[in-house]
Amino acid sequence: ETGVTQTPRHLVMGMTNKKSLKCEQHLGHNAMYWYKQSAKKPLELMFVYSLEERVENNSVPSRFSPECPNSSHLFLHLHTLQPEDSALYLCASSQERTGVNYGYTFGSGTRLTVV
Amino acid sequence: AQKVTQAQTEISVVEKEDVTLDCVYETRDTTYYLFWYKQPPSGELVFLIRRNSFDEQNEISGRYSWNFQKSTSSFNFTITASQVVDSAVYFCALSDMFSGGYNKLIFGAGTRLAVHP
Repeated sequence: ETGVTQTPRHLVMGMTNKKSLKCEQHLGHNAMYWYKQSAKKPLELMFVYSLEERVENNSVPSRFSPECPNSSHLFLHLHTLQPEDSALYLCASSQERTGVNYGYTFGSGTRLTVV
Repeated sequence: AQKVTQAQTEISVVEKEDVTLDCVYETRDTTYYLFWYKQPPSGELVFLIRRNSFDEQNEISGRYSWNFQKSTSSFNFTITASQVVDSAVYFCALSDMFSGGYNKLIFGAGTRLAVHP
């Protein structure tokens, strides 16, 4: 496989469930990101991992818990979500290099519906 | 503050029309990068172009062209002879090179383009 792969593509979960979103990148990048995209809203940066350390957490509720076990994998653990958390969750990766920005490579996203 | 403004929320055109998507940015950096991404209905953001702030040459790639003007802080995107497959949301993005210790991208709100047959 190449690029950034996200699983599952679609997820329906109840408010009391616990589930995890998975992201895997095969590009040799050293930074990974979680974004949330709700209907009619801008892209919201949730978490950033650079060299497997979390470097940014944009006031995300604790019911979202990220995990980055190595530079190729990123997880988003979900528990006791609310219906307003229904959205497209996008993972991205990039190659960090001082003074240069190559942009991000995105996965296809996980469309989450909380019922 | 770093900011990207895409004033056009939605654009609707008929196939074969030319269409321009506007992008205006604000930055305190002297070196920065600008990007355009396409998000088709499938959801994935697809990279279209990256432009360094020192390179003001316009770029053409098939039916796509980009006009970078530092004097007006704009990086506009034109699709010539639009096709139905161009229907998507298009995002302009700006690099934030020096905050947070990583390569941050600041995204605009996106422009939804609908091309009708």
